[in-house]
Amino acid sequence: AQRVTQPEKLLSVFKGAPVELKCNYSYSGSPELFWYVQYSRQRLQLLLRHISRESIKGFTADLNKGETSFHLKKPFAQEEDSAMYYCALPGQGAQKLVFGQGTRLTINP
Amino acid sequence: DTEVTQTPKHLVMGMTNKKSLKCEQHMGHRAMYWYKQKAKKPPELMFVYSYEKLSINESVPSRFSPECPNSSLLNLHLHALQPEDSALYLCASSESRWGASTDTQYFGPGTRLTVL
Repeated sequence: AQRVTQPEKLLSVFKGAPVELKCNYSYSGSPELFWYVQYSRQRLQLLLRHISRESIKGFTADLNKGETSFHLKKPFAQEEDSAMYYCALPGQGAQKLVFGQGTRLTINP
Repeated sequence: DTEVTQTPKHLVMGMTNKKSLKCEQHMGHRAMYWYKQKAKKPPELMFVYSYEKLSINESVPSRFSPECPNSSLLNLHLHALQPEDSALYLCASSESRWGASTDTQYFGPGTRLTVL
C-alpha cells in the first residue's frame, strides 16, 4: 500500500540555517511526489512536485529511489518559511493523494 | 478566477440540524474533492467527483452526502452529525486530464465546522 512517512512532527531552525524536512515513502511503481505547504491562516497549496524539477521559494527536493526518500531542502531558511509541510503521493488512482502526517517548521529569528 | 472558494467560512450546528457546505471553482477543472482535516492532522480524503460523477467514496458515513450540480460546483450536505465530526472541511479541484499523471490539487480555504 502507498504510504508516506514524515518522521519529524516539529522542526525548529534559526534564520539563515539550512533546513531539511524528511519524507520517506512506500510505493509500487514509479512514484510522483509532492510537497504541499500550509502557512498560518492560509490555504493548503502546492509547493513543488518532483516531476517539474523546479525550485520554489528556494526549496528543492530530489527523489531518491534507492532510499525511497523525497526530502525537502533549503540552504538558507527565512522566517516566512514557518509553516506546516506535507509530503504526498498518489494513492490508488491518479486522483487520490496520500498525505504524510506533516512537519511543522518554525524558523527562529 | 484561479481560486477555489468555500462558503460558509464557519458553521456551528446542532446534531439534529441539516446544513450544506458549498464549494466553487471557475478554472475549468473537472475533478473536485472533499477532505476532512482535524487539528494538527493531514487532510483525509472523503469524496472525489470526476466529470460530475462520484468516483471515490472513502467509506464516509451516510450523514455526509456530496452533490455535484455542475462542473463548477460541489456541495456537501450534512445531517445528524456527531460532535466528533467537528473539523475543517476542505474542498479541492484539479484538471483531471485523461491519461495524465496525478494532477496538482488546488485547495479552498475550508469551512470550520463545529457540531454541538
